[in-house]
Amino acid sequence: DAGVTQSPTHLIKTRGQQVTLRCSPKSGHDTVSWYQQALGQGPQFIFQYYEEEERQRGNFPDRFSGHQFPNYSSELNVNALLLGDSALYLCASSLDLAGDYNEQFFGPGTRLTVL
Amino acid sequence: SQQGEEDPQALSIQEGENATMNCSYKTSINNLQWYRQNSGRGLVHLILIRSNEREKHSGRLRVTLDTSKKSSSLLITASRAADTASYFCATDVQGAQKLVFGQGTRLTINP
Repeated sequence: DAGVTQSPTHLIKTRGQQVTLRCSPKSGHDTVSWYQQALGQGPQFIFQYYEEEERQRGNFPDRFSGHQFPNYSSELNVNALLLGDSALYLCASSLDLAGDYNEQFFGPGTRLTVL
Repeated sequence: SQQGEEDPQALSIQEGENATMNCSYKTSINNLQWYRQNSGRGLVHLILIRSNEREKHSGRLRVTLDTSKKSSSLLITASRAADTASYFCATDVQGAQKLVFGQGTRLTINP
């Protein structure tokens, strides 16, 4: 049973460029969430996708956008990169079930460095 | 912004000792979870405690939750070198569809 996978593992970009990160959820999961983790900090929620729609969004600018495909995989796009966007980007998947909790499984992350 | 604060920010102990980490949060929650992260890699889920529970055990882990004080603690007993990692608490906020993380405790186990 494949877990959550992310690509690429590492990425180096320069300021002003655009980047796309990819995530494949755990088999059977239909919900994907993205988190940004700056060095020495805890992860911060960017947004969540369910049924190909953005369902919830954190406090991130519109430069951060995403997409979910019919096979539940997801992309995170960041435009006009800033130095402060350098971070570990984590993808988490879950299965949307009725009830109060849907466990999220995290991928290994993509390390983005903006120069 | 972060939901919670973890205390201490860093902890260094000898192998075999117990390690205790604390987490405080601000809003009402459905549940609170603890995660481990090794060297900036992905997060590994350790344990979940629901808002109506006060204590939970899993192997060498013991978690407590005090909703009146909006705080939780994670105890790792008989620590091992392999427990060296960063530990994060995360809250599943009522009405939200997201996890809100604290800033983490960096735990070092010295052999």
